[in-house]
Amino acid sequence: AQKITQTQPGMFVQEKEAVTLDCTYDTSDPSYGLFWYKQPSSGEMIFLIYQGSYDQQNATEGRYSLNFQKARKSANLVISASQLGDSAMYFCAMREYRDDKIIFGKGTRLHILP
Amino acid sequence: DSGVTQTPKHLITATGQRVTLRCSPRSGDLSVYWYQQSLDQGLQFLIQYYNGEERAKGNILERFSAQQFPDLHSELNLSSLELGDSALYFCASSAGTGTAGNTIYFGEGSWLTVV
Repeated sequence: AQKITQTQPGMFVQEKEAVTLDCTYDTSDPSYGLFWYKQPSSGEMIFLIYQGSYDQQNATEGRYSLNFQKARKSANLVISASQLGDSAMYFCAMREYRDDKIIFGKGTRLHILP
Repeated sequence: DSGVTQTPKHLITATGQRVTLRCSPRSGDLSVYWYQQSLDQGLQFLIQYYNGEERAKGNILERFSAQQFPDLHSELNLSSLELGDSALYFCASSAGTGTAGNTIYFGEGSWLTVV
């Protein structure tokens, strides 16, 4: 069964608008972590943001925030004031601490339009 | 710069050959992960080492092997290469396991092309 689901294969957003990338996950482990990574066309995987399952507050890192809804098993990434440089592939990932490996979703390709 | 160093960045080799990919984790990180990213399979977890010991195994083929050395660098060995092994191979590292190591940082990857 797929543990990380990203339902948006591709998105087009106007520059300066906010964008939400969806991610749902499935786990029975009470202790887990959720990650978002950005992969530009050059190929590197850039860490954006982390949310622990016991964190009370939603994680924020600059223009990135993670909308964590634990009961819904949802961990959406919100990018405020999008920029042309945000065009990339975005991956949601989960790490179950009993297992320790990180599982990735299939990604969402984000296109920012000028 | 994530602090994770992978070499080589690009590699072209023939079918049937063997290659070794090398990874140096971030300073102080004890965990090393290997991932394979191909167009049709997405990011596939291969294997994880923690402080020299294998900790988790994913979809790693028997033709592939890995190890983590006492200085914590890791090598991924790919043998009897097939065209389908062409992919971007990532190494990632974290400080520890479980709650001890939250953030996982990736290297820039090694592009392997098998011809």
